[in-house]
Order: sequence, then structure tokens, then C-alpha cells
Amino acid sequence: NAGVTQTPKFQVLKTGQSMTLQCAQDMNHNSMYWYRQDPGMGLRLIYYSASEGTTDKGEVPNGYNVSRLNKREFSLRLESAAPSQTSVYFCASSELGSGYTFGSGTRLTVV
Amino acid sequence: QKEVEQDPGPLSVPEGAIVSLNCTYSNSAFQYFMWYRQYSRKGPELLMYTYSSGNKEDGRFTAQVDKSSKYISLFIRDSQPSDSATYLCAMGRGAGSYQLTFGKGTKLSVIP
Repeated sequence: NAGVTQTPKFQVLKTGQSMTLQCAQDMNHNSMYWYRQDPGMGLRLIYYSASEGTTDKGEVPNGYNVSRLNKREFSLRLESAAPSQTSVYFCASSELGSGYTFGSGTRLTVV
Repeated sequence: QKEVEQDPGPLSVPEGAIVSLNCTYSNSAFQYFMWYRQYSRKGPELLMYTYSSGNKEDGRFTAQVDKSSKYISLFIRDSQPSDSATYLCAMGRGAGSYQLTFGKGTKLSVIP
């Protein structure tokens, strides 16, 4: 009963490096989301995918790109990491109008 | 005015106390309301979901929605140390909408 699986769990990057955060869900949900969570800022939506083949910007998309690879997988890419992208990243999935199921998060530090 | 306001706390209560957590919102388009619990260094997990005004009970937890006042609450009875976590409210706009709007969370500590 995996739910939403995120990899890696921890990552340290140097400024300017790139990386991809992976997310996979096994609940056959249509919609998937990427959030970042920062102290005092709460959860902020970066990108979402309402269904396979579609992606849309959320509240804080700058510096990120996403790919909905198939119904199960939704990846988040940082092309040129900046210290401001130090955060905890959560992937989530849902069906329309229902609650989200979150992954356990990726703790990213950019130095 | 932010769409969703939630007192960040922290809130500290003795074991066995009744806890009241609250959120207010400004957008009358919100149709469904949720509470998530987030333990330290974990992802949020859905605790309660309600689609209408009134009360919904699940064990020691009661979710209350007052759409006329744009106010939602989560009550925890007989609080336990295992309830120590951050509680986030979340709201959605209903049919056709995929996005939830989250409060910033209230950190709760239940002291044995």
C-alpha cells in the first residue's frame, strides 16, 4: 500500500546545479501536484497536472519545470538551483473534488 | 486579506484536554473543507473531509463548518500526546476545481 512515493528523500545541491525530483502514485488518481513547504509560508503550489497529458502553473512556478510522464508519474525539475529553492517538496495526488494524498517529502538544500 | 487564515500557534495543552483549532476564509466559492495532520518530517495526511455546513464526527475528532460565518473548526476530545502535530485546514472550490487552498497550519503539543 505505497500511496505516493517520492525520491530522493534528501538532497544537497550547489547553486546552478540541476536535478529532478521523482513522484509516483499507485492509486490510479488522475490529478497530481507539486508543493513546496517553507517555515511561515505554508504549502505553496508549484505546478499541477489535472490529468495525464496536461500541466498548469501554480502559485510559485518560476525556476521549475514539470513532466507528467504517464498517469502514475509526475516529475519536478530544477534547471539551475538557487538558494531560494531550499525547501521541503511534497508531491500529492487526488481525484477531482477529493482530498489529497501526500508523499513523505524531499528535503532539498541548495548551497 | 488572505483567502485562508489560520493561527499558527504554537498551542500547548495537557493530556485529556479538548482542543479547538480554527480557520477563517474570505472566499465564498469554497465548497468543501478538510483538515490535515502533519507529523514532524512527514507529509500531511487527510484527517477530516466535509462538504457542507454542520458537524462531522470521527472518533475523538469533530469537524465543524459554518459557511455563513466563513469559519471552520476542528475539535479534538481527550487529546493524547500522539495528537502532537501540525494541523492544516484546506478548502476547495467544488466541481471542476483541482486546487486546494491551505492554511499555514497550527502546531499542537499535548503534554503528558
